[in-house]
Amino acid sequence: QSVLTQPPSVSAAPGQKVTISCSGSNSNTANNYVSWYQQFPGTAPKLLIFDDNKRPSGIPDRFSGSKSGTSATLGITGLQTGDEADYYCGTWDSSLSVWVFGGGTKLTVL
Amino acid sequence: QVLLVESGGGVVQPGRSLRLSCAASGFSFSSYGMHWVRQAPGKGLEWVAVMWSDGTFEYYVDSVTGRFTISRDDSKNTLYLQMHSLRAEDTAVYYCAKGNTGSHYGCIDSWGQGTLVTVSS
Repeated sequence: QSVLTQPPSVSAAPGQKVTISCSGSNSNTANNYVSWYQQFPGTAPKLLIFDDNKRPSGIPDRFSGSKSGTSATLGITGLQTGDEADYYCGTWDSSLSVWVFGGGTKLTVL
Repeated sequence: QVLLVESGGGVVQPGRSLRLSCAASGFSFSSYGMHWVRQAPGKGLEWVAVMWSDGTFEYYVDSVTGRFTISRDDSKNTLYLQMHSLRAEDTAVYYCAKGNTGSHYGCIDSWGQGTLVTVSS
């Protein structure tokens, strides 16, 4: 059971928008920056969003991040088949003194 | 360009030890906190450990505390993970990862390609 809760899967059609939620608590998501990672099968994760809502250089603006209270959200617009991957949220947990990841969400672009 | 290359993985019997290495290049290694993150076959990401850039603090996930030790040699731009008393549940791909600050705060902004550790008799 992950400290951060994500839906196991989400799906949407090409060109549509999807959101992935990441629910935590006051000791993690509410008071520490949340980051999001994209992982294709057999490859290393890649940073998509950091500091709740910032995109590293090279990440398209189709990807966005937001946070309210104990929940963070990754948004992806203009879905492409190439976006099919696993997505993870992560942050520091100040009570447990560990980094925590969500369980991951598998995105299917129908 | 940040490059992280892990080595040292392999098949090891339960109860034995293994040391992973991560050779870093393309950035000022001594300025950043460094992490190990693992992923069991077919499972999600599990953070393992972090060491601050100045080595003053290190943190571990409970399941490896007392068995694993993270260390760094800034003169060699290399991160290590010494693993003792290995268990079947330690079987995973181990990723070396770079933080974007000198501590555990911020995010993990770069990842190596991973090295597979299989604990089996």
